[in-house]
Amino acid sequence: NAGVTQTPKFQVLKTGQSMTLQCAQDMNHNSMYWYRQDPGMGLRLIYYSASEGTTDKGEVPNGYNVSRLNKREFSLRLESAAPSQTSVYFCASSVEGRINQPQHFGDGTRLSIL
Amino acid sequence: GQQLNQSPQSMFIQEGEDVSMNCTSSSIFNTWLWYKQDPGEGPVLLIALYKAGELTSNGRLTAQFGITRKDSFLNISASIPSDVGIYFCAGQLLFDTGNQFYFGTGTSLTVIP
Repeated sequence: NAGVTQTPKFQVLKTGQSMTLQCAQDMNHNSMYWYRQDPGMGLRLIYYSASEGTTDKGEVPNGYNVSRLNKREFSLRLESAAPSQTSVYFCASSVEGRINQPQHFGDGTRLSIL
Repeated sequence: GQQLNQSPQSMFIQEGEDVSMNCTSSSIFNTWLWYKQDPGEGPVLLIALYKAGELTSNGRLTAQFGITRKDSFLNISASIPSDVGIYFCAGQLLFDTGNQFYFGTGTSLTVIP
């Protein structure tokens, strides 16, 4: 069972470069999320997609865009990378709706911006 | 955003000891979740709590959803070296547009053999 798969696992970019982080889940979940994790700050929500065709901003959306390509895939794009975006990025998915269901996480993408 | 205060920030304990950590918030949550994160990996769900007052166990782990719905605790009994990691609490809110999750800053656990 793959669960939530993120690619790439590691990436180094120069300031100003663009990049797309990919995420796919095979659990037929409706909702998908992108978080960033920084030391001492826990996980902070960047964007989420409650269902296919919808996306909404989270706590820290500036500098990012997302695309819910289909039910399985949710990508995160950095159009012009900045050193402040150096972080570990996690994708997660969950069953959406009024049923309280927890999230399942990928293993993360470690991104360094020089 | 919602603030979750998780304590303690870090713990160093002897193998075999019990561990207790908690999470508090000024907001009421629909669900409380506890995750463990190992180095280089994503968080893995340990326990999910769905009702105020609920007490749930998963092996040596026990967690409770506070009566006020603003807090939760996690206990680990008879700790072992593989319990090492960072433990996160998370609160879930349900909106018409979907679910949102808010995370604590984590408790780093070190178990000394």
